[in-house]
Amino acid sequence: EAGVAQSPRYKIIEKRQSVAFWCNPISGHATLYWYQQILGQGPKLLIQFQNNGVVDDSQLPKDRFSAERLKGVDSTLKIQPAKLEDSAVYLCASSLGTRGTGSPLHFGNGTRLTVT
Amino acid sequence: GEDVEQSLFLSVREGDSSVINCTYTDSSSTYLYWYKQEPGAGLQLLTYIFSNMDMKQDQRLTVLLNKKDKHLSLRIADTQTGDSAIYFCAESKSGANNLFFGTGTRLTVIP
Repeated sequence: EAGVAQSPRYKIIEKRQSVAFWCNPISGHATLYWYQQILGQGPKLLIQFQNNGVVDDSQLPKDRFSAERLKGVDSTLKIQPAKLEDSAVYLCASSLGTRGTGSPLHFGNGTRLTVT
Repeated sequence: GEDVEQSLFLSVREGDSSVINCTYTDSSSTYLYWYKQEPGAGLQLLTYIFSNMDMKQDQRLTVLLNKKDKHLSLRIADTQTGDSAIYFCAESKSGANNLFFGTGTRLTVIP
C-alpha cells in the first residue's frame, strides 16, 4: 500500500512569513496526526483528526498555527506568521483505527522547515 | 506524568546485540511502541507491545516490558550497520491513540 505522502520536503522562509504543508494519509485511515519534531527531540503532537473532526488540538499554538482536514482525507497545516522557533520537521501520520485500539501510526517523511 | 525517557547514545560492534532502554511514567499506558528514524526520513514502525504482555519477539527484535518498573527495552540481535539510526520509544494511553515519544536513542554500529 502507498504510504503517507507529504509535501514539500523542504521549505525555507523568513520570520513573519506564512507557510503551508500538505499531507495525504494512507487510504482508508480514519485518523490523521500532525507532529512537530525539533532537532534532537522526539516528535510532539500538534493536532489529531478523526475523519474530518478534531480530536485533540491542545498543543497547537492556535494564535499562529491552523490545520484542516476537509472531506476527511487530505490535510493542510499552516503557520502564519512563522517564528524562528518554528524551525523543525513537521511529520504527518495516519492510523486505521480509532481511539484506544492501539492501531499503529504510520508516518510520512516529513517537511523540514527552516525559518531565518 | 507523560515523560518517556531514553539514553541518548549507544554504540555497538557489528554482529553484537544492542539493547535500547526506555522508561515511562504513566501506568495507564496501554500500548508501547518502538520506531526507527534514519537521517532525513520519517519514523518507521518496528514493533509494538500491549501492556498485558511481557515479551514479544519478531525476527531479530525482542521487546521486553516490565510494567511494575515501567521499563521497556528493545534488543536487536546480530546488529548490522544498516541498523544505525535513532530509535524512539513511544506510549499511548488508555482511550487515546496519539503517541508520546521519548527523546530517542542514537544507535551507532561500528563495522
